[in-house]
Amino acid sequence: AQSVTQPDIHITVSEGASLELRCNYSYGATPYLFWYVQSPGQGLQLLLKYFSGDTLVQGIKGFEAEFKRSQSSFNLRKPSVHWSDAAEYFCAVGKAAGNKLTFGGGTRVLVKP
Amino acid sequence: EAGVAQSPRYKIIEKRQSVAFWCNPISGHATLYWYQQILGQGPKLLIQFQNNGVVDDSQLPKDRFSAERLKGVDSTLKIQPAKLEDSAVYLCASSAAGGRTDTQYFGPGTRLTVL
Repeated sequence: AQSVTQPDIHITVSEGASLELRCNYSYGATPYLFWYVQSPGQGLQLLLKYFSGDTLVQGIKGFEAEFKRSQSSFNLRKPSVHWSDAAEYFCAVGKAAGNKLTFGGGTRVLVKP
Repeated sequence: EAGVAQSPRYKIIEKRQSVAFWCNPISGHATLYWYQQILGQGPKLLIQFQNNGVVDDSQLPKDRFSAERLKGVDSTLKIQPAKLEDSAVYLCASSAAGGRTDTQYFGPGTRLTVL
């Protein structure tokens, strides 16, 4: 069965500092991987996705993620965070895009001024 | 392009009562999903429709939850009777065809509180 672990429940970062959110997955075949962001009272918005090819994926809002098969990881990064990046971030794995997604527990990001 | 619409946004009921949620997907999207998101957890898929047929309902508690998607467009999720542990945000999502390159687009959710 597929599963996703996000080891960090909360992360606090200063505005302008870099951010890295960890995601580890368990899946037998080549995974399809996603990062979503959820702001308070909002639905989930897709930041980026990985299906195949280049293991460094660029997304919206200046985010990027790197797929490392050897480590079963798909970590999300942003070089310089803005106050508006304060939200909850979810990593997800799917058998194929459009099929059932399995989400991690989420990481809540707080941004200090 | 209009996004996924859901109503109501908030609902408070007492246990053993019934409740229904409505979802209108993005126009033309064939695949519709209902997720349950309990506070502090990631969303969990309850049911997936392809047009008006069920693709996956393996995690739907069928003794109390039901869902339908008439005419392959709008969908309704019902809980009867509700339990305290059903307190959660219910998210609806849609995708164009459920295929390899599809993205799931999420609505704002309905926050259910069961007292």
